[in-house]
Amino acid sequence: QKEVEQDPGPLSVPEGAIVSLNCTYSNSAFQYFMWYRQYSRKGPELLMYTYSSGNKEDGRFTAQVDKSSKYISLFIRDSQPSDSATYLCAMSYNTDKLIFGTGTRLQVFP
Amino acid sequence: DADVTQTPRNRITKTGKRIMLECSQTKGHDRMYWYRQDPGLGLQLIYYSFDVKDINKGEISDGYSVSRQAQAKFSLSLESAIPNQTALYFCATSSRTAQETQYFGPGTRLLVL
Repeated sequence: QKEVEQDPGPLSVPEGAIVSLNCTYSNSAFQYFMWYRQYSRKGPELLMYTYSSGNKEDGRFTAQVDKSSKYISLFIRDSQPSDSATYLCAMSYNTDKLIFGTGTRLQVFP
Repeated sequence: DADVTQTPRNRITKTGKRIMLECSQTKGHDRMYWYRQDPGLGLQLIYYSFDVKDINKGEISDGYSVSRQAQAKFSLSLESAIPNQTALYFCATSSRTAQETQYFGPGTRLLVL
């Protein structure tokens, strides 16, 4: 069993939709939770970072961490075609090393 | 100019050849990482370095070696390339004070025939 599980998609939604991306994990020691966005033929870039449990909001993006369920989510409101990318969750218990999910490919069509 | 650069961007080589992928950064970060990305497997850590004299193996270091020539430079070598090392390779950096944020280079596409 992988430490971090993520549905690879693809997820295809119309412009303006609310998108929900999710990861589950098995290591209860994880304390740091991140979402990276990767455009085609580019390196990943950090989108959201959360320490421990709770919610964090940044513009149209909201990250949620539920440590009791070992489940994290990224919500995108009013999705745009420019949000089309692969979204990777990442986790760490001490930030020395990140454990990445496999990524979910999102397509937002006009 | 990009903060993290990788050379070459694309490389085709033959089985058994030795190749080197290079990474340079201008962010002044201490920490540098090498990952490979394969479809369905995500990013896997090959090696990481916390400073010039501190190099550590990651999840999949077999068949690879690294060299940290300076704080800004971190090279990955495939001593004898094999076809299952065909992948997309990324270099990343982070600072000691914000370790959770890794900055990635644009990647090197490697094809081993």
